[in-house]
Amino acid sequence: DTAVSQTPKYLVTQMGNDKSIKCEQNLGHDTMYWYKQDSKKFLKIMFSYNNKELIINETVPNRFSPKSPDKAHLNLHINSLELGDSAVYFCASSQYLAGGSTGELFFGEGSRLTVL
Amino acid sequence: GNSVTQMEGPVTLSEEAFLTINCTYTATGYPSLFWYVQYPGEGLQLLLKATKADDKGSNKGFEATYRKETTSFHLEKGSVQVSDSAVYFCALPLYGQNFVFGPGTRLSVLP
Repeated sequence: DTAVSQTPKYLVTQMGNDKSIKCEQNLGHDTMYWYKQDSKKFLKIMFSYNNKELIINETVPNRFSPKSPDKAHLNLHINSLELGDSAVYFCASSQYLAGGSTGELFFGEGSRLTVL
Repeated sequence: GNSVTQMEGPVTLSEEAFLTINCTYTATGYPSLFWYVQYPGEGLQLLLKATKADDKGSNKGFEATYRKETTSFHLEKGSVQVSDSAVYFCALPLYGQNFVFGPGTRLSVLP
């Protein structure tokens, strides 16, 4: 039973199109994230939601819009896709621990987006 | 703010060789430290962690010790296998529940 699942795994589309990536976690975690990994494997946080509320919104073009219908789901919608959006997008989740310590991140398998 | 510096690869070793991947950090206080591994075509997964100074995290033959004096968390393995070929990331909390990751070190182990 997959802990963090995201769909689709591969997405090939034309410049200017709009696309969405969906993510679901069944771990009961209260925090979910979107990370972007570029071709050199560098990971960068994009967004983080805690109990459906946006808590981290890094410098990301406003063409990217996250939506969290409930704490188990965090979707990413991208408008007007550009060549530079080609990357692997990872969803992740974690649980805030008592005492303020930080739990580990659990990652999905990634969604490889290719913009032509 | 918190940051992490990690040696960049690629690192190529023969099977059964000794592995060290260096990681140093800058942090406010003493946060937990993590190593994540990404196998080809997969997402990242936790390899090991240490929650306080002098703690040693270990898993699958890998070890890393939280060194407060040298602000380091180097990853080591005594004898690597072909199946260890992957990208390794050092990480620590940035703020709240966010993490900062090192640039990743690609390890290739040859038979």
